[in-house]
Amino acid sequence: DQQVKQNSPSLSVQEGRISILNCDYTNSMFDYFLWYKKYPAEGPTFLISISSIKDKNEDGRFTVFLNKSAKHLSLHIVPSQPGDSAVYFCAARSNTGNQFYFGTGTSLTVIP
Amino acid sequence: DTAVSQTPKYLVTQMGNDKSIKCEQNLGHDTMYWYKQDSKKFLKIMFSYNNKELIINETVPNRFSPKSPDKAHLNLHINSLELGDSAVYFCASSQGTSRYEQYFGPGTRLTVT
Repeated sequence: DQQVKQNSPSLSVQEGRISILNCDYTNSMFDYFLWYKKYPAEGPTFLISISSIKDKNEDGRFTVFLNKSAKHLSLHIVPSQPGDSAVYFCAARSNTGNQFYFGTGTSLTVIP
Repeated sequence: DTAVSQTPKYLVTQMGNDKSIKCEQNLGHDTMYWYKQDSKKFLKIMFSYNNKELIINETVPNRFSPKSPDKAHLNLHINSLELGDSAVYFCASSQGTSRYEQYFGPGTRLTVT
């Protein structure tokens, strides 16, 4: 049973425009959410996170929004750059047992 | 000065064999993890371990066992390998109970023939 879902396997965006990556979850016991970026043949790299007590966290070009009532979070990248092209994973932490659950990833392509 | 390293990067072996994957982190973190990424790119946690507690994902077969000789290392031992064990295995570490972002190794691609 997949508790974290990324329903868009891929996304293409023009350079300079906004990229919006979405993630949905089902478990109300998740207390922390993270986004990771992954290049081919490398491990995921931490990008940005948000606690369940907040609804927004911003770090440079990256902003994560959390809508707890909808059990939805999104990652905004503005402006998008070609170097942002990678697979983005959404992850959530359960406050029972320090377990982490990952989505299946969204492959972002930023077109120059 | 790689933060989280894994060896080997590629591992090809036959069914029934026993193999190990090594993981080392030089970040001073006290929690380490093993993940399995299957053919559908689904990244699934297998183990979470610090010097106090081992948390095992209940779906992980007991053929898989983590071994931690010290705080900087968490090796993965796999007994009686099966075809379905073919996947990419990632090791990761984090600061502990207050910081949840994880630092991942480059992955080990295991192929069981």
